[in-house]
Amino acid sequence: DGGITQSPKYLFRKEGQNVTLSCEQNLNHDAMYWYRQDPGQGLRLIYYSQIVNDFQKGDIAEGYSVSREKKESFPLTVTSAQKNPTAFYLCASSSGAHRNTEAFFGQGTRLTVV
Amino acid sequence: QKEVEQNSGPLSVPEGAIASLNCTYSDRGSQSFFWYRQYSGKSPELIMFIYSNGDKEDGRFTAQLNKASQYVSLLIRDSQPSDSATYLCAANRGYQKVTFGTGTKLQVIP
Repeated sequence: DGGITQSPKYLFRKEGQNVTLSCEQNLNHDAMYWYRQDPGQGLRLIYYSQIVNDFQKGDIAEGYSVSREKKESFPLTVTSAQKNPTAFYLCASSSGAHRNTEAFFGQGTRLTVV
Repeated sequence: QKEVEQNSGPLSVPEGAIASLNCTYSDRGSQSFFWYRQYSGKSPELIMFIYSNGDKEDGRFTAQLNKASQYVSLLIRDSQPSDSATYLCAANRGYQKVTFGTGTKLQVIP
């Protein structure tokens, strides 16, 4: 079945550590996105990528980094520079080839700083 | 100005009433619009999309689009407690970038 897989589902980070969240899709979508969601809040865009080897900062990119070496993969690294990383992280992808193309979401990764 | 704007709410409606959720967008190049529902702790799921001016109905849900006013809405008829969730509006400019609003929290009171 096609879809987006995020791993791990839960992640704990110690102060000062970098951690990487995985996002893989087998939908053959060109565009991929990372969002952060805090409790009771909406989605805030961290980074997005429209093609391989290219990505753009979203609204809250500071303290995060991404790579897009393969079409199906868009990992997000939460660096030690991100002072308040505890949140729910959602990865999404979309085709964009057609007018009605929606964004599909993974199941999310819940990151907690310990 | 945010590209897609929504009132964060919460919007409270009694059970059985019509819930009206609104969204405005700034990019006139936006071609398609989507409504997602997100339950707490879960990922968003698509409810409806619309790309032509006017209304589109699907069961208890009606999406409305007014491109001249850059306005999209979602009506939920006969609201149920199970409709309580955050509703996200999204716009697609037609070239691989889907932009989301921050969502409106809906509470349906039994």
